[in-house]
Amino acid sequence: GAVVSQHPSRVICKSGTSVKIECRSLDFQATTMFWYRQFPKQSLMLMATSNEGSKATYEQGVEKDKFLINHASLTLSTLTVTSAHPEDSSFYICSARTSGRQSTDTQYFGPGTRLTVL
Amino acid sequence: GESVGLHLPTLSVQEGDNSIINCAYSNSASDYFIWYKQESGKGPQFIIDIRSNMDKRQGQRVTVLLNKTVKHLSLQIAATQPGDSAVYFCAETLGQAGTALIFGKGTTLSVSS
Repeated sequence: GAVVSQHPSRVICKSGTSVKIECRSLDFQATTMFWYRQFPKQSLMLMATSNEGSKATYEQGVEKDKFLINHASLTLSTLTVTSAHPEDSSFYICSARTSGRQSTDTQYFGPGTRLTVL
Repeated sequence: GESVGLHLPTLSVQEGDNSIINCAYSNSASDYFIWYKQESGKGPQFIIDIRSNMDKRQGQRVTVLLNKTVKHLSLQIAATQPGDSAVYFCAETLGQAGTALIFGKGTTLSVSS
């Protein structure tokens, strides 16, 4: 099956610094990638939808200037958490969707990135 | 009245039992539903899906039932094994290309030997 990777798997940073998380589709092209955030013992919450070559669409309540998303190619999307603070500590998960017009195109999830802001 | 399957945050079963995990979805316009399994510290793993024009779909040891009347989804796991222990999420999406998944509340399944 299709594989999605994320890097890094874990990151610890100081408050005020920026952190970049990469999401790659390894063996397929993904026109659309999604970024989710998951707090402990909670469900996945969609942050933004990223389409290759265009600006990301952010969900209500998600600050686009704080969570910068770049989808520069069909296999790579990046999420940069700018000026991170302890409340940004969370598990960030991306998913990549194979090209196609149907909503039933399968989404493949990455393994997640655990961000801890001190 | 008849229970339509209340969502439970946790479910504990014995190895070999059948498990039933319930989910209530939010949007009556959703036309595609997926069950995911998430182990601790990992991303969600696809289990089984179903489209709104079906009310049942079977996989290997798993069955998904869809009741559109009450917006309810269930996942049945036959002969549950310790390796099935995880958090299970249902997800829904609308019938438009590029639409994201909306995840429901998870159920933690614990299987004891």
